[in-house]
Amino acid sequence: EPEVTQTPSHQVTQMGQEVILRCVPISNHLYFYWYRQILGQKVEFLVSFYNNEISEKSEIFDDQFSVERPDGSNFTLKIRSTKLEDSAMYFCASSERGHGDTQYFGPGTRLTVL
Amino acid sequence: AQSVTQPDIHITVSEGASLELRCNYSYGATPYLFWYVQSPGQGLQLLLKYFSGDTLVQGIKGFEAEFKRSQSSFNLRKPSVHWSDAAEYFCAVASPNTGNQFYFGTGTSLTVIP
Repeated sequence: EPEVTQTPSHQVTQMGQEVILRCVPISNHLYFYWYRQILGQKVEFLVSFYNNEISEKSEIFDDQFSVERPDGSNFTLKIRSTKLEDSAMYFCASSERGHGDTQYFGPGTRLTVL
Repeated sequence: AQSVTQPDIHITVSEGASLELRCNYSYGATPYLFWYVQSPGQGLQLLLKYFSGDTLVQGIKGFEAEFKRSQSSFNLRKPSVHWSDAAEYFCAVASPNTGNQFYFGTGTSLTVIP
C-alpha cells in the first residue's frame, strides 16, 4: 500500500538555524499538507499546497515558514530561523483531492530546537 | 469555525471489554468525519471515515463509528479491545465545501490492562 514518507525522523537544531523537513507524498496525490503537534497538544494545520502554490495556510504559518515542491516527488517545509517554540512533531499528509478528501499522514519528523 | 471536542483525555479498559470514545463537533452543516490512531512514536493511521450515507461506518482493526447528526457526535466503538489497541485516538473533521484543512480534537489516550 502506498505510504507518505518523511525524513529525517528526528532533527535536532540550534535556535536561529534553518531546517528543511522532507516528505514524499503518495505518487498520484495532488494535494499536500503540513501539520504540527506540539507535545501533549492537538494536531494543528499549517499549510496546504496544490498546483505548485499554497492554497490555504493557518496563522501559525508565518514568514518564517515556506513550502516547496522542488521536483515531482518531494515536498518540503523550511523553517528559516527556528525558535524554541517550533519544537514539535511535524506531519506531512497528502490527498487525491481537496475539500475534505481523506488525508494520509506520514510518520512525522520530530524537531527539537535547543 | 469548525471545532472538535474529545471529552475524555484518558480511558483505561480491560482487555476484552468494549470501548467507546466520544467525539463531538461544531460545524454549520454535515462535515466529513474521521478517526485516526497514533501508536507511540508512529504517525497517524486512518481508522475510518464518514462522508455520507449509512451513519454506521466500519473501519480497520474491528472499529466502527456512528454519526449522529442530532447530537453532533461521531463516537468510535469496538466490541472487544485487544492490548495492541493501546494508543492515542484522534477525531477530525473537514469541510466538504470549503477549505482543505482538517480540524483535530485533543485526542484520547487509551490504556488496555490485562
